[in-house]
Amino acid sequence: NAGVTQTPKFQVLKTGQSMTLQCAQDMNHEYMSWYRQDPGMGLRLIHYSVGAGITDQGEVPNGYNVSRSTTEDFPLRLLSAAPSQTSVYFCASSYDRAGDQPQHFGDGTRLSIL
Amino acid sequence: QQQVKQSPQSLIVQKGGIPIINCAYENTAFDYFPWYQQFPGKGPALLIAIRPDVSEKKEGRFTISFNKSAKQFSLHIMDSQPGDSATYFCAASKAGGTSYGKLTFGQGTILTVHP
Repeated sequence: NAGVTQTPKFQVLKTGQSMTLQCAQDMNHEYMSWYRQDPGMGLRLIHYSVGAGITDQGEVPNGYNVSRSTTEDFPLRLLSAAPSQTSVYFCASSYDRAGDQPQHFGDGTRLSIL
Repeated sequence: QQQVKQSPQSLIVQKGGIPIINCAYENTAFDYFPWYQQFPGKGPALLIAIRPDVSEKKEGRFTISFNKSAKQFSLHIMDSQPGDSATYFCAASKAGGTSYGKLTFGQGTILTVHP
């Protein structure tokens, strides 16, 4: 049982490039989400999904796309990378959509945009 | 808009000390308040959580104190150890099923416990 797996662990991009951050969970969790972590700002919700085929925006969705074709996978796409998107990105999952469910986080993707 | 404000940003204590991290929230609809612990290079992990129907919750050396009227809650670490050195995040959410697991996090506190 690997939990939440994120790939890659590190990535450097040039401004304007696109890429996909991968997230997979093997716990059959209904709810998945993406956060970004920036110094002094905590974690901020980008997008979330309450099940396969259902996604919605969080607090800071601009510049990012998501899709959820299976229960297990929830990729995050950067359409045209900007230096402001330099951050550490965390994927999380929980058993269901209830707000008091423990969130299980992956170990993050550290992304630098030059 | 930061709906959960956390202080201090960093905290240094000696082994055996009792670090205290404070959080204040604005949204009175929040009714679930977890604390997450994060070690370098790892994702946050749930440490302890409280509902507003109790004023205190203890799990081992970790205690949450909750003041509903002041809209504040705090984490106390008893007999702190060097292994407790980590970043701590408070968070808040609505526990109900329509809240979609949305957590609002505080800014984080970097705790260092010296031997």
